[in-house]
Amino acid sequence: GAGVSQSPRYKVTKRGQDVALRCDPISGHVSLYWYRQALGQGPEFLTYFNYEAQQDKSGLPNDRFSAERPEGSISTLTIQRTEQRDSAMYRCASSLLQYNEQFFGPGTRLTVL
Amino acid sequence: DAKTTQPTSMDCAEGRAANLPCNHSTISGNEYVYWYRQIHSQGPQYIIHGLKNNETNEMASLIITEDRKSSTLILPHATLRDTAVYYCIVRGAKNNDYKLSFGAGTTVTVRA
Repeated sequence: GAGVSQSPRYKVTKRGQDVALRCDPISGHVSLYWYRQALGQGPEFLTYFNYEAQQDKSGLPNDRFSAERPEGSISTLTIQRTEQRDSAMYRCASSLLQYNEQFFGPGTRLTVL
Repeated sequence: DAKTTQPTSMDCAEGRAANLPCNHSTISGNEYVYWYRQIHSQGPQYIIHGLKNNETNEMASLIITEDRKSSTLILPHATLRDTAVYYCIVRGAKNNDYKLSFGAGTTVTVRA
């Protein structure tokens, strides 16, 4: 079946612009997670949802970062007023329930010039 | 989440078993040991997980010591496509904390 998909796969933007990254989880998966991965490091947790409820946003670095999942399916991670330090791979994962194994998407490579 | 300690890197020969160690001495009773791997720039891939009993699936075996302070992931017949970074992660239900905390992992290189 279809896995987790993310779009766009690559995004290049100028400093100060807003970007929206989309995640389409596996159908029927209740939980959705966002991670950020710098080159050469493991993914770092940003936030997660059960259905449409944001359960934990402790990993969001500052208030320029926000996420939503309004209908409990597709999620959008938004970064406002991007900075060069926001450049990274942004990964989304979903799981059937919150305690099940997570399946990761291919990621969105964000480059802020 | 409990912290894990893994070797930075290891090599293994194609066709031989690869044994990947992980220490998690502060693991608590309701925390599971998970293994994921990441091949090149792909997303992390789930391998296996366990609580206290040894587990086996089509990809690997997981051996957890009786005191649960360490574990070993076994790839029974390593192939070149098993070259990846392998992450040992302790994950529990404490405070409804289900996120994965990736460390640096072990870079495994399978050589022909």
